[in-house]
Amino acid sequence: GAGVSQSPRYKVAKRGQDVALRCDPISGHVSLFWYQQALGQGPEFLTYFQNEAQLDKSGLPSDRFFAERPEGSVSTLKIQRTQQEDSAVYLCASTPSPDNRGGKETQYFGPGTRLLVL
Amino acid sequence: AQSVAQPEDQVNVAEGNPLTVKCTYSVSGNPYLFWYVQYPNRGLQFLLKYITGDNLVKGSYGFEAEFNKSQTSFHLKKPSALVSDSALYFCAVRRYSSASKIIFGSGTRLSIRP
Repeated sequence: GAGVSQSPRYKVAKRGQDVALRCDPISGHVSLFWYQQALGQGPEFLTYFQNEAQLDKSGLPSDRFFAERPEGSVSTLKIQRTQQEDSAVYLCASTPSPDNRGGKETQYFGPGTRLLVL
Repeated sequence: AQSVAQPEDQVNVAEGNPLTVKCTYSVSGNPYLFWYVQYPNRGLQFLLKYITGDNLVKGSYGFEAEFNKSQTSFHLKKPSALVSDSALYFCAVRRYSSASKIIFGSGTRLSIRP
C-alpha cells in the first residue's frame, strides 16, 4: 500500500511569507508526528497527534508554528512569517497505534518537504 | 534527559568488508533503540529496533545491531558491505514512557567504495 506522502516536496519562500506543508499518513494510522531536520542534523520532534487531538506540541519552536489534523487523517503544518532559520526539511511520520505503548512502535516516514526561506 | 551520540560523521569502507556504525546513548530507565537509514531525497527508512530480549537484533538488508547495556551502546553492523549501503544512518533512542519523545543522533554518512 501507499506510504506516507508529503507535499510540496520543495518550497521556496520569501522571508515573512506564510507557508503550509501537507502530510498524508498511511491510511488508518492513528498517530502522526512532525519533525524538523536542519542541514547536517538528525530530525527533531515538533508535535504529535493522536487522531485529531494534538497531544504534544512541546517541540514547536515558536508561536509562528501551528499544526492541525482536523479529521484525524491529513495534517498540515503551517509556518507564519517565515524566517531564514526555518529553512529545513520537515518530516512527517505515522504509526498505526496510539503513542501510549511505551514508544516501541516503528515510525513510518514520508519523503519530507524541503523549505528554503530567502 | 535522554540523548544519543554518533561519534563519527563519516565511515568509509571497501565493498565486501565488514562495517560498523557507532551509537551510544544516555537515558534513564529502559531504552528503546532504533536505526534508520536515509537515502538522498527520501524519508527515513526503518532498519531495526531493540525493545527487549536478545541483545543482537537483526534487521533489513542484512544489517544487525548489538545492544550493550554496560557500555550504553547500540552499534550497527553488517558482515559484508555493498556499494548500495552508502547512505546516511541515524540512531535513535526513546525512554520507556508514553510521555517521552524519540531522540535522533546527528547521523553518520556511510560511504562504500567499490
